[in-house]
Amino acid sequence: QSALTQPRSVSGSPGQSVTISCTGTSSDVGGYNYVSWYQQHPGKAPKLMIYDVSKRPSGVPDRFSGSKSGNTASLTISGLQAEDEADYYCCSYAGSHGVFGGGTKLTVL
Amino acid sequence: EVQLVESGGGLVQPGRSLRLSCAASGFTFDDYAMHWVRQAPGKGLEWVSGISWNSGSIGYADSVKGRFTISRDNAKNSLYLQMNSLRAEDTALYYCAKDKGWMIRGNFDYWGQGTLVTVSS
Repeated sequence: QSALTQPRSVSGSPGQSVTISCTGTSSDVGGYNYVSWYQQHPGKAPKLMIYDVSKRPSGVPDRFSGSKSGNTASLTISGLQAEDEADYYCCSYAGSHGVFGGGTKLTVL
Repeated sequence: EVQLVESGGGLVQPGRSLRLSCAASGFTFDDYAMHWVRQAPGKGLEWVSGISWNSGSIGYADSVKGRFTISRDNAKNSLYLQMNSLRAEDTALYYCAKDKGWMIRGNFDYWGQGTLVTVSS
């Protein structure tokens, strides 16, 4: 049960797009279409942003999108806004258990 | 409105036990899988354990397997985590989280505010 690999930090200016990658193996990300993404602001509980690789829960802006290719999933945030600054975590189903990525700190410059 | 309220955290000595509870409301509890996710101070999220809607499928992280036991009481709309042989590395904020489906899939659409467990002598 190794953690998924995410970049420790990414940054972008308001209005720009950023992509956060999440790399696993054929036993987790590559093996199932159950990848989710979470946004966490300091001191707050995580919030679901993307599930089943690319589906958005109601209320999540369409600036957030998800995709997957092979063993790597990606979260793209377009039209960056100041409030997007947060930690982002990916999670994948891995056959009877789940596994998170190490988290990525998004800084909006 | 979906609400998940954790309780049972606290300060405990290494090697001792603790039982966490999560009271759920605002949805049909026995239609969904449930999970425990933890976050050590200043660290990332770690999935701890999950249980399907009818307790027929249960999973644990390797780090807690054999020490922690997840359970649910659908009649009481409650989720539990029995934690035995606690270690310093179990110190974390423990979140109760609802899955979007009835099986363990890792799509956590609602989270509680967490209960803090501190393991220290």
